[in-house]
Amino acid sequence: GAVVSQHPSRVICKSGTSVKIECRSLDFQATTMFWYRQFPKQSLMLMATSNEGSKATYEQGVEKDKFLINHASLTLSTLTVTSAHPEDSSFYICSASPRDRGNEQFFGPGTRLTVL
Amino acid sequence: AQSVSQHNHHVILSEAASLELGCNYSYGGTVNLFWYVQYPGQHLQLLLKYFSGDPLVKGIKGFEAEFIKSKFSFNLRKPSVQWSDTAEYFCAVIKSDYKLSFGAGTTVTVRA
Repeated sequence: GAVVSQHPSRVICKSGTSVKIECRSLDFQATTMFWYRQFPKQSLMLMATSNEGSKATYEQGVEKDKFLINHASLTLSTLTVTSAHPEDSSFYICSASPRDRGNEQFFGPGTRLTVL
Repeated sequence: AQSVSQHNHHVILSEAASLELGCNYSYGGTVNLFWYVQYPGQHLQLLLKYFSGDPLVKGIKGFEAEFIKSKFSFNLRKPSVQWSDTAEYFCAVIKSDYKLSFGAGTTVTVRA
């Protein structure tokens, strides 16, 4: 149980375009989902926390207008990278916390974004 | 500010050797502690976790970790590693706001 999926797993786009990444909890309801960014050979950095039905909370230094997060249902959160630039190229990982286990997070497989 | 420190950036060892990865955190309140593993090309997987109770926690694949409150440490151990243990290992602490803070990670390379 506690499976989290992400789609797409890999995306290449041109500079200036927007990219949407989906995060789904497949077998549980997730009241909270998290979005992380991981640079090569580095740790995961929390970008934002999203709660179903409310606005996402962004970490310091993360542009909320650039990284749009929507958590429309208890099983789906989306991250949209708007007007992507090469420096946005990274590995984006989501995690989800089950409704009754708020202090645990289950991670998706990640999405590799390359902006040309 | 809370931080998680992993002392070893890269560990190289031979099969059957013992492994210990250090992890310290700086947070005075109640903590929940985790070790995650990321195998090459795969996503993060939970190795083990500590919430309360017995400070010696056993996880999957023969890993264990010991929570020493007085030292703010949560070191990961495995008595005898295998080639398949080659991976990136992350220590993480969850705060009262349910946000995970990750250490920088330790790359473990096991030579056959």
